Amino acid sequence: DARVTQTPRHKVTEMGQEVTMRCQPILGHNTVFWYRQTMMQGLELLAYFRNRAPLDDSGMPKDRFSAEMPDATLATLKIQPSEPRDSAVYFCASATSVGPNQPQHFGDGTRLSIL
Amino acid sequence: GNSVTQMEGPVTLSEEAFLTINCTYTATGYPSLFWYVQYPGEGLQLLLKATKADDKGSNKGFEATYRKETTSFHLEKGSVQVSDSAVYFCALTSNTGGGNKLTFGTGTQLKVEL
Repeated sequence: DARVTQTPRHKVTEMGQEVTMRCQPILGHNTVFWYRQTMMQGLELLAYFRNRAPLDDSGMPKDRFSAEMPDATLATLKIQPSEPRDSAVYFCASATSVGPNQPQHFGDGTRLSIL
Repeated sequence: GNSVTQMEGPVTLSEEAFLTINCTYTATGYPSLFWYVQYPGEGLQLLLKATKADDKGSNKGFEATYRKETTSFHLEKGSVQVSDSAVYFCALTSNTGGGNKLTFGTGTQLKVEL
């Protein structure tokens, strides 16, 4: 089965460092989502893209977070500078098209710990 | 705005017991409804979906019926197994404002014991 691939699976770094998380969507999927999951807040949508263009990034703190799709096979989420409150599991998901009935396919996430 | 409310967990059941996890929603427009499952250390997986009123989604013995009159989409399974232990998320998308953003419930942890 085709899968969404996220790297790294785990990341531990000190506060102030730059963190880059990568996502390879399922081939042919043109919509990519970034989520953050914490015990306190649950699942939060940070941003999403269609055909590599950002559709909505209102859930993302703009001062330190940035999301891009350099090409159709790669999405990145960067945090600079990182802070302890950014510790969470970050998920990427992809879907075939924008429309309410298309399911999102999730990667296994990047578990981020900021010391 | 859209919202999804799920029953609090954890839910602890013995193997072969009947499962119900309640989910109600508030949405504008005509939402599509989903149940996702998350096993430990993994991402969410689509379990089932329903796209219009009275539709029944089913998969792996799980079922949920889209009830517009009660704005509910309760998840059921007749006989749970230890391997069903996971966190279950109810979610919706509504085709208003563009895009297919998912609105998730808080998740319900299910523990199945022998």
